[in-house]
Amino acid sequence: QSVLTQPPSVSGTPGQRVTISCSGSASNIGNNDVSWYQQFPGKAPKLLIYKSHERPSGVPDRFSGSKSGTSGSLAISGLRSEDEADYYCAAWDDNVQVFGGGTQLTVL
Amino acid sequence: EVQLEESGGGLVQPGGSLRLSCAASGFDFNDFAMHWVRQRPGKGLEWVSGVSWNSGGLGYADSVKGRFTISRDRVRKSLYLQMNNLRHEDMALYYCAKSDSSAWSRGSFDMWGQGTMVTVSS
Repeated sequence: QSVLTQPPSVSGTPGQRVTISCSGSASNIGNNDVSWYQQFPGKAPKLLIYKSHERPSGVPDRFSGSKSGTSGSLAISGLRSEDEADYYCAAWDDNVQVFGGGTQLTVL
Repeated sequence: EVQLEESGGGLVQPGGSLRLSCAASGFDFNDFAMHWVRQRPGKGLEWVSGVSWNSGGLGYADSVKGRFTISRDRVRKSLYLQMNNLRHEDMALYYCAKSDSSAWSRGSFDMWGQGTMVTVSS
């Protein structure tokens, strides 16, 4: 059971906006930034969002992150078929990096 | 180009040992903390261990504490993970990851290797 809670799956149609939630506690998200990672099958994870809402260079602005209290959220607007992947949230918790269980995004 | 290349994975019996290596290139290795993250087959990501830029600080997940040792070599620009007393539950794909911070207990992982597979089986 993961320290951070994500929905196992979400889905959307092309062009739609979807959000993935990440629920934590005061010791992790409540006191630290949230990171988001994208992982395609058989590939290494890729950093998508850092410091809760910052995008690394090269990440499209269709991806956005936010944080409120003990929860984080990843939003993907203008959904594309190539966005179909697994998404993980992460945060530091008492000197341990904890991850969410991952959310599988399906583009219908 | 930033590159991380892991090696050293393989098949080992329960109770055995293995040493993973990660060769870094394309960035100033000595400025950033480095981490190991693993992923069991079909499962999610699990942080294993991290070490600060100068090896002055390091940390481990409870599941590996006392069995795994992380280290780094500033001259060889390499990260290592010595894994002892391996268990079935340690079987996973082990990723080397670069932090965007110099401290091991902060930041995000902004670059990942392709991983090296560790199989624990008799």
